[in-house]
Amino acid sequence: AQTVTQSQPEMSVQEAETVTLSCTYDTSESDYYLFWYKQPPSRQMILVIRQEAYKQQNATENRFSVNFQKAAKSFSLKISDSQLGDAAMYFCAYSSGGSNYKLTFGKGTLLTVNP
Amino acid sequence: NAGVTQTPKFQVLKTGQSMTLQCAQDMNHNSMYWYRQDPGMGLRLIYYSASEGTTDKGEVPNGYNVSRLNKREFSLRLESAAPSQTSVYFCASSEETGVLGNQPQHFGDGTRLSIL
Repeated sequence: AQTVTQSQPEMSVQEAETVTLSCTYDTSESDYYLFWYKQPPSRQMILVIRQEAYKQQNATENRFSVNFQKAAKSFSLKISDSQLGDAAMYFCAYSSGGSNYKLTFGKGTLLTVNP
Repeated sequence: NAGVTQTPKFQVLKTGQSMTLQCAQDMNHNSMYWYRQDPGMGLRLIYYSASEGTTDKGEVPNGYNVSRLNKREFSLRLESAAPSQTSVYFCASSEETGVLGNQPQHFGDGTRLSIL
């Protein structure tokens, strides 16, 4: 079974600085997808970024980028120029390729942004 | 606003009571999902529906039933609520097909359910 591990229960960053959230996963599959979701205090889950395992290029979405290291099974999220609105719980998630609909989530990292 | 709508937002039940959580999406998505979120556990998939009329078990289906009556609506039913089902429940829907499969992208605001 696949597992997703987020080793940092909490992180903090100064506004305008850069922070990196860690995520590792365990799988024997070669075809899969990785995601970062953001959950602000309002509770709504928002998809931040996603990465297809077959792509070597790291995904980027504005101030958010990932460092995908397939051999190391690592998928970290970098937030540049942190803003107060980035404060949230961040979840790393894994999904198999093909017709497997199951999304496996890590336990989350609570990010605090200090003004 | 377009999106995933869940009702109710909060509910308190007594052990043994039954209840149905409602979910509707207006994005014409094929796939819909029910998750529960417990402290320190992340989200866990209860049931999902790849298309209208089909449902499948997820990671933690015991104690729940679902109904996908039409493309818009996917309900979750607790027939006999237990304290272990106290959680925050999220409904989600997905539009992705093809290479990315059915990946949840749009979530509702959640239902906080407490069972005494």
